[in-house]
Amino acid sequence: GQNIDQPTEMTATEGAIVQINCTYQTSGFNGLFWYQQHAGEAPTFLSYNVLDGLEEKGRFSSFLSRSKGYSYLLLKELQMKDSASYLCAVSDSNYQLIWGAGTKLIIKP
Amino acid sequence: DGGITQSPKYLFRKEGQNVTLSCEQNLNHDAMYWYRQDPGQGLRLIYYSQIVNDFQKGDIAEGYSVSREKKESFPLTVTSAQKNPTAFYLCASSDTDRESSPLHFGNGTRLTVT
Repeated sequence: GQNIDQPTEMTATEGAIVQINCTYQTSGFNGLFWYQQHAGEAPTFLSYNVLDGLEEKGRFSSFLSRSKGYSYLLLKELQMKDSASYLCAVSDSNYQLIWGAGTKLIIKP
Repeated sequence: DGGITQSPKYLFRKEGQNVTLSCEQNLNHDAMYWYRQDPGQGLRLIYYSQIVNDFQKGDIAEGYSVSREKKESFPLTVTSAQKNPTAFYLCASSDTDRESSPLHFGNGTRLTVT
């Protein structure tokens, strides 16, 4: 079966760095997406990786290793507004998205 | 501004009643999707449509129905046959021309059936 694993919840301190991991087992791979979702709101797109390596976008970076079925989202200089759930999704061989359950990130002052 | 509008934000219904959730987009996207989000689970695909007048079942289509008569609109009906309809429903659209096209989501409808 197809599976995406993420930690359920993480806590970090304002101003610090946090890494949210995502491991996947899917039938085929056509890219991995990260989304941010504040409570009760729509998910918003953060990043897309299809090749191995690190993609940097401001305070957020996303890494992919296809051979290991592994990705992480790195958030630097954490701000209180970064408190949200972070969703990992993989596009499989049919370009259908398989979603992880999301990681709830709690930022403390 | 372009975007996706879902209405209403909160919806309450009695068991046994059908209910229709609205989704409208002005992004000129061909593809539209309905997802259901439950606590502790990933988004689950209910139905999707890649072109007007055509749609396909997702992973959990039982108890739901959709129509795609216009490019801009993709309403979802939750029927009385859906056993556990209380959930947060998200509509999304995407530009299907590129593999890396992200989904654009509406703000969701929280449906409560009692």
